[in-house]
Amino acid sequence: DVKVTQSSRYLVKRTGEKVFLECVQDMDHENMFWYRQDPGLGLRLIYFSYDVKMKEKGDIPEGYSVSREKKERFSLILESASTNQTSMYLCASKDLAGSYEQYFGPGTRLTVT
Amino acid sequence: GQQLNQSPQSMFIQEGEDVSMNCTSSSIFNTWLWYKQDPGEGPVLLIALYKAGELTSNGRLTAQFGITRKDSFLNISASIPSDVGIYFCAGSKTYNTNAGKSTFGDGTTLTVKP
Repeated sequence: DVKVTQSSRYLVKRTGEKVFLECVQDMDHENMFWYRQDPGLGLRLIYFSYDVKMKEKGDIPEGYSVSREKKERFSLILESASTNQTSMYLCASKDLAGSYEQYFGPGTRLTVT
Repeated sequence: GQQLNQSPQSMFIQEGEDVSMNCTSSSIFNTWLWYKQDPGEGPVLLIALYKAGELTSNGRLTAQFGITRKDSFLNISASIPSDVGIYFCAGSKTYNTNAGKSTFGDGTTLTVKP
């Protein structure tokens, strides 16, 4: 089974802190994604990566950056956390070929106070 | 970005009832997918549709890829308490620069009363 793990299930940070959210997948998938999930807004794409060191902005990249130094790991960085970044963050991965199915991690619920 | 209009936003039903939800878009997609998110977990794929007009079943779930390629429907028959969760539709295109991205709907939250 594909497994996508996220470093924390719950995280509480203070305004202005630099925050790292880590995601690791064990199926050698080329594509990885970061979403945020807010009630009534569905899943909104922050950034995605289609190869090591390759990244593209999604629909809401402002205030975030990403890093992909190894194929299995995709990190989301909040350079200076703000209260409006309080949300559920979901990581996903996908094989380059085949279906469009994305495999999701369990999510990190981030609270910025 | 592109938007998918998913409805209804929420449903409260009695156990045993059938459920219908749908997703519409102003643009064409080549693939439609339906995911379910259990409380406290990430979404998991239920059904994938690859051809306009396709009707696919997975147990009590049936999904259809609309003929116009701009919509999709998900039906759940004889609902049970474990059907509770958020259901997302997602559409994908096959452009090379797309990197396998999907556009997600806002979700339908299903509550089933025993």
